Amino acid sequence: DAGITQSPRHKVTETGTPVTLRCHQTENHRYMYWYRQDPGHGLRLIHYSYGVKDTDKGEVSDGYSVSRSKTEDFLLTLESATSSQTSVYFCAISQSTGQREQYFGPGTRLTVT
Amino acid sequence: QKEVEQNSGPLSVPEGAIASLNCTYSDRGSQSFFWYRQYSGKSPELIMSIYSNGDKEDGRFTAQLNKASQYVSLLIRDSQPSDSATYLCAVRDSNYQLIWGAGTKLIIKP
Repeated sequence: DAGITQSPRHKVTETGTPVTLRCHQTENHRYMYWYRQDPGHGLRLIHYSYGVKDTDKGEVSDGYSVSRSKTEDFLLTLESATSSQTSVYFCAISQSTGQREQYFGPGTRLTVT
Repeated sequence: QKEVEQNSGPLSVPEGAIASLNCTYSDRGSQSFFWYRQYSGKSPELIMSIYSNGDKEDGRFTAQLNKASQYVSLLIRDSQPSDSATYLCAVRDSNYQLIWGAGTKLIIKP
């Protein structure tokens, strides 16, 4: 398995509270991604990073921010969680955006009550 | 809106038979295509990638790509109960982003 960990693995939080999810990789891959997965939908890209301090928005970025201060860590922050952000969040890594495959972390199940 | 379409299933296949999973995509500029397997409660796991028209075989798995018709398929030969999972099709679009299908649930009946 690719060396990707996510923390926490499960979290329950209340509406309006800030939440930060962490993705950590030991593969030294340049690209890192945050997706959310909801029933009936494919994986949807929230944000991605193409290097330290280099990030860009994905398809569903509203309400989310990210930071990458080190190659190995990519943080996803929900500034003020809403019930619509209840989902499973996956981090993925890849060596490049060319033909390279993406490899996924174990996921974080987030419930916003 | 770039789309990747998959039949949600479930697709039920007897053990030992061939399972055929299909995926169509809308972006003609797509160049890279991937099949992932996802067990319930787990993360997606890459099983096949294909970049050129034709067939690519890896063990019991064969990926087929037809860019003219904009479809990609995955065949699983000698299906096993352990193949029961949701199979996700992903297509890299002309902006180098992966667009994902919603997945096909496959059930292998012993």
